[in-house]
Amino acid sequence: AQKVTQAQTEISVVEKEDVTLDCVYETRDTTYYLFWYKQPPSGELVFLIRRNSFDEQNEISGRYSWNFQKSTSSFNFTITASQVVDSAVYFCALSDPQGGSEKLVFGKGTKLTVNP
Amino acid sequence: KAGVTQTPRYLIKTRGQQVTLSCSPISGHRSVSWYQQTPGQGLQFLFEYFSETQRNKGNFPGRFSGRQFSNSRSEMNVSTLELGDSALYLCASSSRGYRTDTQYFGPGTRLTVL
Repeated sequence: AQKVTQAQTEISVVEKEDVTLDCVYETRDTTYYLFWYKQPPSGELVFLIRRNSFDEQNEISGRYSWNFQKSTSSFNFTITASQVVDSAVYFCALSDPQGGSEKLVFGKGTKLTVNP
Repeated sequence: KAGVTQTPRYLIKTRGQQVTLSCSPISGHRSVSWYQQTPGQGLQFLFEYFSETQRNKGNFPGRFSGRQFSNSRSEMNVSTLELGDSALYLCASSSRGYRTDTQYFGPGTRLTVL
């Protein structure tokens, strides 16, 4: 069965610090997709990134970067020079295809607090 | 382009009642999925609809049901509410619901069962 583990329940940093959120996944599929979503206090899940299993190239988008390593089944997310607005719960998710469509299997989330 | 909208945003019900939640997907999106989020269980998949047909269902009791209309708008219904149904219910839409599509989420409906 698909499984996503985010071992860090809560992280607290001071503004401008770099922070890495860990994500480890389990799947028997050879083709799969991984996602990161951000959930601010308002509740809406905001899409951040999607990676497929055959593209291990790391990606940088502004202050965000992602490190995908199939060998360790990890898809970690780093925020450089964190800001107070980055405070949110971050979820890692794995695609789980069933019945001709797919659902997302989420980790438990990591609550990030960035203090001024 | 407008995002996914959900109504109502907040609901308070009592045990035994039923409730209907509504979701309007992004224009042009034909797949709608529903997720339940609770502090204990996290985010769990409820069901997915495409072209008015349920294609996928999570491990929830039959009290949870849904449907999709021809304009892709979707509703979910929970009958005989229990205290444990208190949760944030999130709706997500995607183009076709395939693995190559990204799911975009709405703001959710927070249901409180007293």
